[in-house]
Amino acid sequence: TQLLEQSPQFLSIQEGENLTVYCNSSSVFSSLQWYRQEPGEGPVLLVTVVTGGEVKKLKRLTFQFGDARKDSSLHITAAQPGDTGLYLCAGAEGAGGTSYGKLTFGQGTILTVHP
Amino acid sequence: SAVISQKPSRDICQRGTSLTIQCQVDSQVTMMFWYRQQPGQSLTLIATANQGSEATYESGFVIDKFPISRPNLTFSTLTVSNMSPEDSSIYLCSVRQGNYGYTFGSGTRLTVV
Repeated sequence: TQLLEQSPQFLSIQEGENLTVYCNSSSVFSSLQWYRQEPGEGPVLLVTVVTGGEVKKLKRLTFQFGDARKDSSLHITAAQPGDTGLYLCAGAEGAGGTSYGKLTFGQGTILTVHP
Repeated sequence: SAVISQKPSRDICQRGTSLTIQCQVDSQVTMMFWYRQQPGQSLTLIATANQGSEATYESGFVIDKFPISRPNLTFSTLTVSNMSPEDSSIYLCSVRQGNYGYTFGSGTRLTVV
């Protein structure tokens, strides 16, 4: 069974601060995905990283996949109250970079950004 | 990307009863996934449902408790049977979105009293 350790579990910061969320595993994943979930909704895909060492940017969010494809990080610059939510990393099983099957989710990070 | 309609969005049920949750996708998909999530916590995969075959259940989940139907490529149901308060949770269905990433329904918040 593949496991993803996500940290921190809770993060409460002021508007304008930076933050980083980490996902670590002893297993290799074909891809690593980050989701954001708001109350009463399902998770929404933010980004997928596939290649070891890959870095993707989505406005103020920067995602990185570790060289060995076992870990990933999400960095938010100048956090806004609208960033508040549950952030989930998820590793996909599969071969050749194609996610053909189930996801293994990290424990989640509840982010609260205070105005 | 696919759009998933999941219902009911929430329900309060008596212990010992059963609830069937429906997911309708606006496109044909091979695999559908059912998850359970405690509020504010992570998702745990219950089972994978393929059209035309029996669902594949993860460790800790059994067909008698969570029977799944997959009658066609756009629809699936999950039944939570003989419910107890421990079954109170959010249940979500999901489908693959292209080669990477997944789309989720909005979830069913179940409370068993």
